[in-house]
Amino acid sequence: AQTVTQSQPEMSVQEAETVTLSCTYDTSESDYYLFWYKQPPSRQMILVIRQEAYKQQNATENRFSVNFQKAAKSFSLKISDSQLGDAAMYFCASRGSARQLTFGSGTQLTVLP
Amino acid sequence: GAGVSQSPSNKVTEKGKDVELRCDPISGHTALYWYRQSLGQGLEFLIYFQGNSAPDKSGLPSDRFSAERTGGSVSTLTIQRTQQEDSAVYLCASSLTQGGGTEAFFGQGTRLTVV
Repeated sequence: AQTVTQSQPEMSVQEAETVTLSCTYDTSESDYYLFWYKQPPSRQMILVIRQEAYKQQNATENRFSVNFQKAAKSFSLKISDSQLGDAAMYFCASRGSARQLTFGSGTQLTVLP
Repeated sequence: GAGVSQSPSNKVTEKGKDVELRCDPISGHTALYWYRQSLGQGLEFLIYFQGNSAPDKSGLPSDRFSAERTGGSVSTLTIQRTQQEDSAVYLCASSLTQGGGTEAFFGQGTRLTVV
């Protein structure tokens, strides 16, 4: 079984600044994937970024990047040049041999103008 | 449609009544998932369909919950004899394949309130 832990229920960042959201996970599998999803007030989950565990290089998508520390089972999300539209609930998730995603409890991000 | 569609968007029901929640996945997506999100919580897996294979029902919390997927497309989640603890947002997702890195596309969910 996989578990995902997000220890920051809430975070805030000033517009245009950088913020890092933390995530740790636990799995006994060697082949797995990690994801960050964003959930705005509309409730629809939107994929932000994904990482394949066998790739050492950290994934990057425009202003979003991850710091994947496999040995430490850590998968943090860095948002650069934060924008008002980044305000949302962010969920870290993992997927291994079981095809469903396992989610953390989420981090509510507030962007201050 | 262009995305995953769920109906109704909101549902208020009386305790003890049965409810049906509908999910229309993206056309051509073979995998379909149901999740439950209680207030302020993460998503809890309920059930997974992949093509014509038997569904993975390991996340269903009780025998009051059931789901079916007809013709490999539309899915219906049924909750019988609803209880107040069933109040939550029910999210449906679909993906093109069951591959580990495949993106799951989510609908906007059905907010169920049991009074």
